[in-house]
Amino acid sequence: AQSVTQLGSHVSVSEGALVLLRCNYSSSVPPYLFWYVQYPNQGLQLLLKYTTGATLVKGINGFEAEFKKSETSFHLTKPSAHMSDAAEYFCAVRGEGSSYKLIFGSGTRLLVRP
Amino acid sequence: DGGITQSPKYLFRKEGQNVTLSCEQNLNHDAMYWYRQDPGQGLRLIYYSQIVNDFQKGDIAEGYSVSREKKESFPLTVTSAQKNPTAFYLCSAGNTEAFFGQGTRLTVV
Repeated sequence: AQSVTQLGSHVSVSEGALVLLRCNYSSSVPPYLFWYVQYPNQGLQLLLKYTTGATLVKGINGFEAEFKKSETSFHLTKPSAHMSDAAEYFCAVRGEGSSYKLIFGSGTRLLVRP
Repeated sequence: DGGITQSPKYLFRKEGQNVTLSCEQNLNHDAMYWYRQDPGQGLRLIYYSQIVNDFQKGDIAEGYSVSREKKESFPLTVTSAQKNPTAFYLCSAGNTEAFFGQGTRLTVV
């Protein structure tokens, strides 16, 4: 069965520091991988996705993620944190078969200190 | 304005009541999904539909029901059989990637 593990339910960084949010997945088929961001009491917004091709994927708001098959990882990074990046981040893998349903990790709350 | 529209944004349910959450899309996607979000648990799939007049149970379907009579609409009913319905409910649509509504926060009073 597919699954997603996000290491660290809370990550705290200083403004201007590197952001690194970790995501590991399990999948028996080539995965489609996603990162979403959620601000309080709002829906999820897509940050970036990996389907096929280039393993380094760039998204919105300066975020990027690298698909590493050998490590079954898809970690999210941003070189310099901004106060507006404070939110909850979810990693997801698309389910096997034809259902297209997403399997989500439990989320990581990013705190940005001034 | 395009996208996924969920209503209402806040909903209060009395014990023993059924309530229906609305989800409408104008993105022309065949697939639609309902998720429940609880603190620290991520999103859990309740029901999904890949085509009109067809839907499948997700991981936590007990106490919920859905219908898909139109491509644009996928309402979720939280029945009295759902013993712990207080949560944030999210609707999404899409195949290659999912587009989400703004959510409905349901509270039992």
